[in-house]
Amino acid sequence: GAVVSQHPSRVICKSGTSVKIECRSLDFQATTMFWYRQFPKQSLMLMATSNEGSKATYEQGVEKDKFLINHASLTLSTLTVTSAHPEDSSFYICSASRQNEQYFGPGTRLTVT
Amino acid sequence: GENVEQHPSTLSVQEGDSAVIKCTYSDSASNYFPWYKQELGKGPQLIIDIRSNVGEKKDQRIAVTLNKTAKHFSLHITETQPEDSAVYFCAANQAGTALIFGKGTTLSVSS
Repeated sequence: GAVVSQHPSRVICKSGTSVKIECRSLDFQATTMFWYRQFPKQSLMLMATSNEGSKATYEQGVEKDKFLINHASLTLSTLTVTSAHPEDSSFYICSASRQNEQYFGPGTRLTVT
Repeated sequence: GENVEQHPSTLSVQEGDSAVIKCTYSDSASNYFPWYKQELGKGPQLIIDIRSNVGEKKDQRIAVTLNKTAKHFSLHITETQPEDSAVYFCAANQAGTALIFGKGTTLSVSS
């Protein structure tokens, strides 16, 4: 149990376009999901906390208008990178919380050209 | 907020040796301390965790110890194997809050 999926696993987009990443908890309901970003050879940096039915809470320095988060159901959270730029290229990872344990998705590799 | 320090950043051992990774945390209210293994291009996988009401937990070749007074916890891997090679992250949080991660340790096990 406790499987979290992400889609897509890889995406390449052109500068200025928007990209949506989906995070799903497949076998449990998660009222809270988290979005992290990881640059090469670095640790996971928390971007935002996503709560079902309410607005996401963003970490300092993360632009909420650029990284749109929607948590429309107990099993789905989406992250939309708007007007993507090459510096947004990174590994985006979501996690879903169950009984205070966090289970991570496989990640989405975003490359902005 | 919470701050987690992790050492060493890289660790090389021979197959069969033990490996120890140490973390310290700053927020005394943190009560959950998981360890994750991350292979290249994949998401982190939970390998073991410990809560603040216990001092040690073991699962086959992996063990974690917690010292709440000193605010540090450690990962111990015995009888290391080449497939243990990966990046390991420690983390800490309070119930319901986001995990705060250490910077990671790249473990290399040579045969």
